[in-house]
Amino acid sequence: EPEVTQTPSHQVTQMGQEVILRCVPISNHLYFYWYRQILGQKVEFLVSFYNNEISEKSEIFDDQFSVERPDGSNFTLKIRSTKLEDSAMYFCASRGTSRPEAFFGQGTRLTVV
Amino acid sequence: QKEVEQDPGPLSVPEGAIVSLNCTYSNSAFQYFMWYRQYSRKGPELLMYTYSSGNKEDGRFTAQVDKSSKYISLFIRDSQPSDSATYLCAMGLNKLTFGTGTQLKVEL
Repeated sequence: EPEVTQTPSHQVTQMGQEVILRCVPISNHLYFYWYRQILGQKVEFLVSFYNNEISEKSEIFDDQFSVERPDGSNFTLKIRSTKLEDSAMYFCASRGTSRPEAFFGQGTRLTVV
Repeated sequence: QKEVEQDPGPLSVPEGAIVSLNCTYSNSAFQYFMWYRQYSRKGPELLMYTYSSGNKEDGRFTAQVDKSSKYISLFIRDSQPSDSATYLCAMGLNKLTFGTGTQLKVEL
C-alpha cells in the first residue's frame, strides 16, 4: 500500500541551526502539506504546496520556514534558524487530485536544544 | 470560540461497547469531514471521510455529519482493545483544521 515516508524519524539540533525535514509523498499525488504537533497539543497546519508553489500558509509559517520540491519525488521543509519552540512532531501529508483524503507520514520528531 | 472543539477524554470503555466520539465546529464553510486515528508519537491514520451532511459506514465505523448543528460523530461498534488510540476529527480540504483529539481506551 502506498505511503508517505518521512526522514529522519528523530532529529536533535542546536538552537540557531538549520534543519531540513524530508518527505516522499505518495507517487501520484499532487498536493503536499506540512503540519506540526507540539507535544500534547493539536495538529496544526503549516503550509500547502501545489504545482510547484505554496498555495496557502499559516501564520506559524514565517520567514524562517521554506518548502521545496527539489525533484519529482521529494518534498522538504527547511527551518533556517531553529528556536526552542520549534520542537514538535512535523508531519508531511499528500493528497491526490480526485479524492479529498490527505495521507500522513509517520512524522519527524524535532528536538531543539 | 475555537474553530473545532473535541472532548479530550480520556474515554474508557469495556471491550464490545459502542463508542461515540464527537466534534463541534464553528466554520459553516467546511464541507469535508475526516476522522483520523493516532497512536502515541505516530502520524494520523485516516479512518474515513464524509462530504457535507449524512452518514457513512465502513465496517465497524460509522461517521455522521449534521451541518445544521455543526456537529460530527464517529461511532465504533464492537470496540476492541486494538481500537485504543487518540481519535482526531479534521475538517476542510487544502487546509485541515484538527480537533484536539479524544483519547480512547478499550479495556478487556
